[in-house]
Amino acid sequence: QTVVTQEPSFSVSPGGTVTLTCGLSSGSVSTSYYPSWYHQTPGQAPRTLIYSTNTRSSGVPDRFSGSILGNKAALTITGAQADDESDYYCLLYMGSGNWVFGGGTKLTVL
Amino acid sequence: QVQLVESGGGVVQPGGSLRLSCAASGFTFSSYGMHWVRQAPGKGLEWVTFIRYDGSNKYYADSVKGRFTISRDNSKNTLYLQMNSLRTEDTAVYYCAKDQYYAPDYWGQGTLVTVSS
Repeated sequence: QTVVTQEPSFSVSPGGTVTLTCGLSSGSVSTSYYPSWYHQTPGQAPRTLIYSTNTRSSGVPDRFSGSILGNKAALTITGAQADDESDYYCLLYMGSGNWVFGGGTKLTVL
Repeated sequence: QVQLVESGGGVVQPGGSLRLSCAASGFTFSSYGMHWVRQAPGKGLEWVTFIRYDGSNKYYADSVKGRFTISRDNSKNTLYLQMNSLRTEDTAVYYCAKDQYYAPDYWGQGTLVTVSS
């Protein structure tokens, strides 16, 4: 059973840049996994940030960008703001109609 | 604008059944695949099931295979999730989401399912 890995927590200063990653317990993430990224604040539904590796969802500011870095998918946030805090999840399409979320990264802006 | 509104959640005993609905508007429902994703209290997101735009293919997470059934009525712009043989570990907020290139893009606000005796 392949596990999708994310950093459990990360911290960034206001105005700073942070890169969160999404990997596999075995193997490398590529565009063929159609990596996507979601932001969720407490009590709210997830909000889609990025799909298909690097396509921003409607209304998402260009401070958020997606890429493949080495053997992982990556979400980069530039000019971090206070409301960027909370949980970030990646999702990978494993093929054959199977999707797997990562465990999530709790981002702190301080 | 895209709107997804889930309903049908509630409290059910272990072994019981429940049917969730997701009413869609603001887009051509019959042209898009749809997902159900759940989140247990205090836990992360878990993908549950997907149905193609025309209902021709359905896929399930191993944790719900054989117990849950996804379906859709394109004439009513509505997605369904029939949940049978419910277990305490199925307790979660259930979200429906529209697919865009192998990923959910728009999400509903979710409906809470509690399985408890």
